[in-house]
Amino acid sequence: GQQLNQSPQSMFIQEGEDVSMNCTSSSIFNTWLWYKQDPGEGPVLLIALYKAGELTSNGRLTAQFGITRKDSFLNISASIPSDVGIYFCAGQLQRSGNQFYFGTGTSLTVIP
Amino acid sequence: EAQVTQNPRYLITVTGKKLTVTCSQNMNHEYMSWYRQDPGLGLRQIYYSMNVEVTDKGDVPEGYKVSRKEKRNFPLILESPSPNQTSLYFCASKSSRDRVYEQYFGPGTRLTVT
Repeated sequence: GQQLNQSPQSMFIQEGEDVSMNCTSSSIFNTWLWYKQDPGEGPVLLIALYKAGELTSNGRLTAQFGITRKDSFLNISASIPSDVGIYFCAGQLQRSGNQFYFGTGTSLTVIP
Repeated sequence: EAQVTQNPRYLITVTGKKLTVTCSQNMNHEYMSWYRQDPGLGLRQIYYSMNVEVTDKGDVPEGYKVSRKEKRNFPLILESPSPNQTSLYFCASKSSRDRVYEQYFGPGTRLTVT
């Protein structure tokens, strides 16, 4: 199956710090999505990206669709304790129909 | 309230005993999907359905069956569960409108097969 490599695997940061994480693939993706999963719950969509080079923000979150279409980045500015959770990238391959592939996740811990 | 429900939330069973995990959504979504989540592997898609009576294999369909007889329901069937199917399972749904990618996930079903 398609592998999305997400890094880092985990992060421990101080409240107020900025966070960066990325996702790479060996294949070209048609869309990139970023999800957050809180403990004991299902993932929730944060940002959707539709074309190469696109930069999209959602509050303190900013994500970019890499120009090679094989990667994506998520930045969180001025982290707060409620940012704690697991962040997943996901996407759809070109011409893959409606199949979604998810990354391995980045676990974020924010220390107050 | 718009939601995806799954039952049961927790299940411990033995190898070979057939089980069904139910999934229901109240948003009239055409698209429904099942994922399993394992440590270090993220979420992997098992099966998905574009509409009633239309289902397709995802990345890891082996050992699973699904059916879509009604728009709101998408049960996951394990005919003969094995320990390697111990996992956290999520059902999700979304609209099939163009460029709508937001999937609504259920709360998860934690399955243990001994």
